[in-house]
Amino acid sequence: ILNVEQSPQSLHVQEGDSTNFTCSFPSSNFYALHWYRWETAKSPEALFVMTLNGDEKKKGRISATLNTKEGYSYLYIKGSQPEDSATYLCAFPSNTGKLIFGQGTTLQVKP
Amino acid sequence: NAGVTQTPKFRVLKTGQSMTLLCAQDMNHEYMYWYRQDPGMGLRLIHYSVGEGTTAKGEVPDGYNVSRLKKQNFLLGLESAAPSQTSVYFCASSAGLSNQPQHFGDGTRLSIL
Repeated sequence: ILNVEQSPQSLHVQEGDSTNFTCSFPSSNFYALHWYRWETAKSPEALFVMTLNGDEKKKGRISATLNTKEGYSYLYIKGSQPEDSATYLCAFPSNTGKLIFGQGTTLQVKP
Repeated sequence: NAGVTQTPKFRVLKTGQSMTLLCAQDMNHEYMYWYRQDPGMGLRLIHYSVGEGTTAKGEVPDGYNVSRLKKQNFLLGLESAAPSQTSVYFCASSAGLSNQPQHFGDGTRLSIL
């Protein structure tokens, strides 16, 4: 059974702080690693799909790195804003291609 | 830009009733998915489809049926609703199975009394 672990489970930061969280996944049979942003009362929104070891992707103040050999990805948010408050999900495709989602890291940014 | 549209948005059913949730996408995606989201459980895949006329079981398929008669539509049916099926249901679609992002609908909040 594939296990996708995210840490921490929740995070509270002040506006302007930079923060990061981790997604751990099986390092064998790597296909891709997805990151999604899920705001309360909305639907998950894709941030990144990462496929190459050492890949680094950026979208505004959010960036992600990927290490497929050791099985982890970091998501960084620079200068957090209240609108960044959301649950951040990572997902890893199983060998049949279906995404297995982690439990998410819930970020709360206080003004 | 409709993307993925789910209907209805809310529904309350009595135990034993049946209903169908509709998902429609206008992005010409081959792959479509139904998930349920429960507190502390994250997103769990119910059924999915890799193309028109095909369906396959996900992680939690029991009590649900699906159909993909047209490429743009993916229907989720509950034949005899049970309180354990109270959940928020999300539909998603993607252009690829593992290396393309999934696009989600706004969800359907279903309560079974």
